[in-house]
Amino acid sequence: QTVVTQEPSLTVSPGGTVTLTCAPSTGAVTSDYHPNWFQQKPGQPPRPLIYSTINTHPWTPARFSGSLLGGKAALTVSGVQPEDEATYYCLLYIGGDQHWMFGGGTTLTVL
Amino acid sequence: QVQLQESGPGLVKPSGTLSLICGVSGDSFTSSKWWGWVRQPPGKGLQWIGEIHQSGRTNYNPALKSRVTVLLDQSQNQFSLKMTSLSAADTAMYYCARLQRSGDNYKFDYWGQGTQVTVSS
Repeated sequence: QTVVTQEPSLTVSPGGTVTLTCAPSTGAVTSDYHPNWFQQKPGQPPRPLIYSTINTHPWTPARFSGSLLGGKAALTVSGVQPEDEATYYCLLYIGGDQHWMFGGGTTLTVL
Repeated sequence: QVQLQESGPGLVKPSGTLSLICGVSGDSFTSSKWWGWVRQPPGKGLQWIGEIHQSGRTNYNPALKSRVTVLLDQSQNQFSLKMTSLSAADTAMYYCARLQRSGDNYKFDYWGQGTQVTVSS
């Protein structure tokens, strides 16, 4: 079964830029994986940020952007704010088997 | 405004069956939408469980497929999750969510607040 890997943890200074990545064990991510990204804070449901690689929701702050980077799905936060401290999950569509798979999550610390 | 609300028993005995319902308001079951379930064990990451389309077509997590059924009840504007042969490993927060598929865009957008399920005797 496919495993989706994310950095377990990252630390960034306020105002800085950080990139989180997401990759399946099967190889490179393409747009066919329709990467979705979510932010989750303790005690809250996941909050959608990005869909199908690069698209933002109406509520997504402009500092969040999605891309493909070196064969991985990427979430970049530019001008990090203290409230961005959270766990971020990617979700990939495994088209061959027609199911979705979450990454293990990246805990982002703003320090 | 689209809202999803999970409901269920809270406590289920080992080897028992879990039945959860997700009520949908502010939306209808149209052809571009799928409706799914995600869970999160305490202190752990998210796990996609399965989804259903208005047509009745379903997709499931291969690791759970033998124990899971997702059903749609359009007359009640709700969909449900049934999971059998429960063990302590199924203790988790269970979320329902909406997925829109339109052209090349696959968008998880609206989520419920979640319902806690504990498997214990």
